[in-house]
Amino acid sequence: DTAVSQTPKYLVTQMGNDKSIKCEQNLGHDTMYWYKQDSKKFLKIMFSYNNKELIINETVPNRFSPKSPDKAHLNLHINSLELGDSAVYFCASSQPLGGVDTQYFGPGTRLTVL
Amino acid sequence: AQSVAQPEDQVNVAEGNPLTVKCTYSVSGNPYLFWYVQYPNRGLQFLLKYITGDNLVKGSYGFEAEFNKSQTSFHLKKPSALVSDSALYFCAVRDTDTGTASKLTFGTGTRLQVTL
Repeated sequence: DTAVSQTPKYLVTQMGNDKSIKCEQNLGHDTMYWYKQDSKKFLKIMFSYNNKELIINETVPNRFSPKSPDKAHLNLHINSLELGDSAVYFCASSQPLGGVDTQYFGPGTRLTVL
Repeated sequence: AQSVAQPEDQVNVAEGNPLTVKCTYSVSGNPYLFWYVQYPNRGLQFLLKYITGDNLVKGSYGFEAEFNKSQTSFHLKKPSALVSDSALYFCAVRDTDTGTASKLTFGTGTRLQVTL
């Protein structure tokens, strides 16, 4: 009964490849997020979707393209992978109810670009 | 823009002793503050949040945090540390726009090491 799940957990690939990370939440939340955690453990938001609509788009290279087929899923596709893309990517979800919502995070996907 | 600072990279405490993990914030409006914990090779787990009201917020696993507006601080505390509390702790501040998506800005994290 995992609330926010991500696949794969680990991803090792070569520079220049294209890869996708999938995220699913079963909390019934309307909003989902992608965060990147670098090697120094610094966490930064990348994107947010609400009901399949892009809400937050931080300064992220356009090689990164999120896609939300429905409100329970938010996938992250990365083109032409670079060494600097190596990081842990976290998906999160929340339910904005007019108040201050709490974000719940998935277990993370560790991406290693060789 | 909002920001949080965690001045200590690491905090060491003996099991059974009280612990404090420090966080200070900077926001232009009302502060909405959070604490998350990350265990090794795991995702972030929500501990507690401050929105308004009582300055002492109680959260999961016996943790609490004290909001201090005059010192712009939101320190995480626990009366008696456990070895199993050893983890990476993140303070975060939410933007004040309560729209359909919230933007969390995280601190750099503080590693808590609890020893026997």
